[in-house]
This record gives sequence, structure tokens and C-alpha cells, in this order.
Amino acid sequence: EAQVTQNPRYLITVTGKKLTVTCSQNMNHEYMSWYRQDPGLGLRQIYYSMNVEVTDKGDVPEGYKVSRKEKRNFPLILESPSPNQTSLYFCASSLAGIGNEKLFFGSGTQLSVL
Amino acid sequence: RKEVEQDPGPFNVPEGATVAFNCTYSNSASQSFFWYRQDCRKEPKLLMSVYSSGNEDGRFTAQLNRASQYISLLIRDSKLSDSATYLCVVNGDSSNTGKLIFGQGTTLQVKP
Repeated sequence: EAQVTQNPRYLITVTGKKLTVTCSQNMNHEYMSWYRQDPGLGLRQIYYSMNVEVTDKGDVPEGYKVSRKEKRNFPLILESPSPNQTSLYFCASSLAGIGNEKLFFGSGTQLSVL
Repeated sequence: RKEVEQDPGPFNVPEGATVAFNCTYSNSASQSFFWYRQDCRKEPKLLMSVYSSGNEDGRFTAQLNRASQYISLLIRDSKLSDSATYLCVVNGDSSNTGKLIFGQGTTLQVKP
């Protein structure tokens, strides 16, 4: 089944403890992206990647890192999480770039930073 | 001014009603436009892309007005299952890059 898999689904952590949210897609998509969703603000793009070893900042990249060492995986790294990073996170992928292509989203990761 | 703006609603309509949402965008160079549907805190799913000439998919019609920089979504004969949040999505620049801007969404509640 074609899908984008995010893990974990829920995560509670404490300030400053490094964490990684994994994202994997099995559709051989070139484009992958991370978003956070907060009440009243909608989805905001954190980082995106147009292909392996190519990553770019979205609108809210501060406090996050990403890597794209292989096509299928695009992990989101929080080196030193803070409470303002408590949010619902989504990973997404599409075949290539944007154009008029459909974005496939993962099921989301609810992160709470205490 | 937000780059992509939507009225958050909620829009409360009876079954069978016709309802329309608008979404305005600030970047005149934007080239790609979409409507996504999101059910309560689940992953967004593509409802339809929006083409320059307008397009229709069953009960759903999307329109683009470049001069006024807005896109619209019309839902005819609303069903209970149409209750969801509808997200307007616009690419953030003129080239086919990966920057996407989401509106905050418009919530629709269809009542029996």
C-alpha cells in the first residue's frame, strides 16, 4: 500500500532532550516536506526536500533540522526541544516538486514538550 | 497581511445546501493552487487542484481569479460527510519549488 509513515504517533518529552521524528515513504517520491499545525495558524512548512541531499527552509525552520540521505526517509530532528515546539507535526511527499501534484501526508505526530 | 487567508468559520449549513468558501493569496506570482480537506486533527487529503479555467469534480467546483488573487470552492447538495475543515494551499513563489503556504482552514458543519 502506498503510504507515508510517521513515527511516533504521540510523543511527550522534556525541554532540551534531543528527539527525532521519522518519516518514510514507499512511493519513490522525490519531494518530501515537514509541517507543524497549531490552532489558529494552520499548517506551516518547516523544511522541504526536492531530492536526496537537497533540503530547503520553509517558513518556520528555527529549532529544527532535517536530513535526506536516502530518497525514502526524511527525519525531523529537534536538537533541544522547547515548549513552543509543542504541536501536531505532519510529514508529506509528492512525486516531484509541486506543480499540480497531490501531496500524501503521514498520520501526524502529536508532540508535547514539557 | 497573511500570505493565504481564509475565513475560519464555522459555516453551519443544513443538508442539501450550497456553500462557498473563498481564499485570498498575497503573492501574485503564485502558480499552483489546491483545496485540501482535513478531518479533525487527521492528515489533510487532496480534494482538488484548482486550474485557471476552473474545474469541477462531482458536487465540488473550484475557481481561480488571478486578477483579484483569490480561489473559491463551491459545494453543492451538502452531505453530512462533507463536515470537515477545508484548507486552501498556494505555492509560495513563481517557480515550481517546494514552498507551500496553507491557509488556516475553513470549518464546515453540515447539519441534518
